[in-house]
Amino acid sequence: GQQLNQSPQSMFIQEGEDVSMNCTSSSIFNTWLWYKQDPGEGPVLLIALYKAGELTSNGRLTAQFGITRKDSFLNISASIPSDVGIYFCAGSKTYNTNAGKSTFGDGTTLTVKP
Amino acid sequence: DVKVTQSSRYLVKRTGEKVFLECVQDMDHENMFWYRQDPGLGLRLIYFSYDVKMKEKGDIPEGYSVSREKKERFSLILESASTNQTSMYLCASKDLAGSYEQYFGPGTRLTVT
Repeated sequence: GQQLNQSPQSMFIQEGEDVSMNCTSSSIFNTWLWYKQDPGEGPVLLIALYKAGELTSNGRLTAQFGITRKDSFLNISASIPSDVGIYFCAGSKTYNTNAGKSTFGDGTTLTVKP
Repeated sequence: DVKVTQSSRYLVKRTGEKVFLECVQDMDHENMFWYRQDPGLGLRLIYFSYDVKMKEKGDIPEGYSVSREKKERFSLILESASTNQTSMYLCASKDLAGSYEQYFGPGTRLTVT
């Protein structure tokens, strides 16, 4: 299947630092989504992006849909301990046979030291 | 709130056993998905369903089958469990229309010994 390259694979940061992660693909997606998975839980949607070039914020989180439609970025400002978890990017296409499938990246594991 | 529930949080089975993982969603979603999650490999799609009795293979269907007899329930079946199927299994559902957001269950951590 298609692959999304998500980086970095893991991050160890100090509380208060900013975080950046990104996702790239060899193919075009019409929708980019960012999920967070808390320990012991399923992923939950953080931000959805539907338009190339779109920049969307959700509190301390900001995500961008790349102009080429082949990449997306997630930034977290002023990290706090509850930001700990695994962050996944996901790309979706709008083909009818797609059934709303998303292709997921491998995840970025974030550790925040108090 | 959308709720997706999975029958077990932890499961231990023996090699060769037939294993059933159940998933139920309460929001009348048409689409349902089964993924497995392994460290460093992200979420890999096993099977998905876009309607009752309809199913399609995902990226890693070998060794698995699924059943969707009712809209709210999507079952993953391991016909003969093997140790390489030890993993975290996540179920998700999605509305047919609207956004591409998937709603995930809490996961079932399956250990095959």
